[in-house]
Amino acid sequence: DQQVKQNSPSLSVQEGRISILNCDYTNSMFDYFLWYKKYPAEGPTFLISISSIKDKNEDGRFTVFLNKSAKHLSLHIVPSQPGDSAVYFCAASEDQDSNYQLIWGAGTKLIIKP
Amino acid sequence: NAGVTQTPKFQVLKTGQSMTLQCAQDMNHEYMSWYRQDPGMGLRLIHYSVGAGITDQGEVPNGYNVSRSTTEDFPLRLLSAAPSQTSVYFCASSYKAVYNEQFFGPGTRLTVL
Repeated sequence: DQQVKQNSPSLSVQEGRISILNCDYTNSMFDYFLWYKKYPAEGPTFLISISSIKDKNEDGRFTVFLNKSAKHLSLHIVPSQPGDSAVYFCAASEDQDSNYQLIWGAGTKLIIKP
Repeated sequence: NAGVTQTPKFQVLKTGQSMTLQCAQDMNHEYMSWYRQDPGMGLRLIHYSVGAGITDQGEVPNGYNVSRSTTEDFPLRLLSAAPSQTSVYFCASSYKAVYNEQFFGPGTRLTVL
């Protein structure tokens, strides 16, 4: 039973346009969400996070939106650049004060076309 | 700072062999963890540690042991390798806990024949 789902295995976007990556979750106890980016043959790197008390967090070209009622979050990248081509994982954690486990989605491969 | 280092990068084992995957970090992070990544799946937590001398099981701990004798090192031991343990293994560390930014090593690609 996947608690964190990224239903699009891949996404292709034109350079300069907006990339929108989606993530759904089933566990209503999740209260912290993170996005990581992964290049081939490297470990994931942290991109951006959001707490359940917020519905939006922005960092430069990256914005994460959280819709708690729909149990859905999305990552927007504007404008998309060739270096953004990577696999993006969303991950979730419940009870940030005492829980030490992240549940990860399967990832979405983003391809930015020149 | 080297960040999080993992050795080896690649390893091939025969069924039944044992080995240790090494992980070290030089950021004085309290939290360290081991994940495995299989095709079409997200990272799954094997074991984690919240400080020297403290370890706990994650989602998929069977067949693996860990210890944390120092803040810097967190080795993962495969006791008797099985083909189902063929995977890419990542070690990660963070300042306090999982909701802090985790820094990942480059991974170890393990094949068990």
